[in-house]
Amino acid sequence: KAGVTQTPRYLIKTRGQQVTLSCSPISGHRSVSWYQQTPGQGLQFLFEYFSETQRNKGNFPGRFSGRQFSNSRSEMNVSTLELGDSALYLCASSWDRGLKNEQFFGPGTRLTVL
Amino acid sequence: TQLLEQSPQFLSIQEGENLTVYCNSSSVFSSLQWYRQEPGEGPVLLVTVVTGGEVKKLKRLTFQFGDARKDSSLHITAAQPGDTGLYLCAGAPGNQFYFGTGTSLTVIP
Repeated sequence: KAGVTQTPRYLIKTRGQQVTLSCSPISGHRSVSWYQQTPGQGLQFLFEYFSETQRNKGNFPGRFSGRQFSNSRSEMNVSTLELGDSALYLCASSWDRGLKNEQFFGPGTRLTVL
Repeated sequence: TQLLEQSPQFLSIQEGENLTVYCNSSSVFSSLQWYRQEPGEGPVLLVTVVTGGEVKKLKRLTFQFGDARKDSSLHITAAQPGDTGLYLCAGAPGNQFYFGTGTSLTVIP
């Protein structure tokens, strides 16, 4: 069974631009969560989607948004990029909703904002 | 202030030594998870502890959940170079999922 895939793996953007990251969960998994990882703040929860609906949300500004499609694939969008948005963005999938289920992580998308 | 504080932040030891990593919080968790993350990869779940006082063993790794369910520890016996990585505790006391501050372990051959 294929693991969680994320595209692109690396991305360079400039301040003010927007970016869309993609995540394909493990086949059969219906929950997708997104995380931001930085050296200073560590791993922080962005949001969780289940059945195309956002179920839980972390403490990030509205510039960070996401969506989930009927096939459970998910996208995350960051608008008006800031230097501090440079981070590794990780996607995780699990078979059911709820943040206490086992989550399987993808390799991440490394975003650099110049 | 992070909800889950881990100590130590960095650990560099010789192969064969034992070590313990701590994960502490002022909040009560119904369960805690431990992950290991290697460079260039996402975290991989090692174990979930659910019951206060619970001890789980995974080969040379021993995980313990505090009686009050506010803390946990990870003990590695006879560490090997393959244990090198970032160890993270994590849990969801409510509607958000929190990761600990992380412990970066390096095992020197």
